[in-house]
Amino acid sequence: AQTVTQSQPEMSVQEAETVTLSCTYDTSESDYYLFWYKQPPSRQMILVIRQEAYKQQNATENRFSVNFQKAAKSFSLKISDSQLGDAAMYFCAYIFASGTYKYIFGTGTRLKVLA
Amino acid sequence: KAGVTQTPRYLIKTRGQQVTLSCSPISGHRSVSWYQQTPGQGLQFLFEYFSETQRNKGNFPGRFSGRQFSNSRSEMNVSTLELGDSALYLCASSWGTGFRSGNTIYFGEGSWLTVV
Repeated sequence: AQTVTQSQPEMSVQEAETVTLSCTYDTSESDYYLFWYKQPPSRQMILVIRQEAYKQQNATENRFSVNFQKAAKSFSLKISDSQLGDAAMYFCAYIFASGTYKYIFGTGTRLKVLA
Repeated sequence: KAGVTQTPRYLIKTRGQQVTLSCSPISGHRSVSWYQQTPGQGLQFLFEYFSETQRNKGNFPGRFSGRQFSNSRSEMNVSTLELGDSALYLCASSWGTGFRSGNTIYFGEGSWLTVV
């Protein structure tokens, strides 16, 4: 079964500190894309970062970076210099080459940023 | 460039009624997909439309249907509403469909449906 697991329902980080959100997935596919989406209180899902499975280099977007371990099927998100505006639900998701191309989402991690 | 626009943002319906939600994709995007978000089930894929054709469908009953117009705008309809249909319905658009050209989607703010 194609699944995405986010084992941390909630996490807290002090402003300006670094936090890592974990995500593991289960797939037999070799070609897929992984994503982190942020959902603030406004509820709009915002794309944070995208990783192509066949690329070894970890994706980076400003303060956001991933640690992609393909063999371990792990895709963690690191947020550096955390800001109050980073407080949100974070969803890990992936889409794979075969099948119906629909996204499979994890259950989310709620991130609180403490001032 | 305007983002994905969903209307209405909030609505309350009575059990047994039907509802239609609308989604206008980002300009130039031809694929529209719909997701249901509930606290218990998380985000679940409903269906995807591309060039007015349904390309993929999730595991939802036939009460859930959709369509896409020639301008890529999409509507989803839920008939015979049940209490369990209360959810945030998210629309997302992408330039293309399929794994290579449709793999990154952009979401709207969602339509909150409450069924009483």
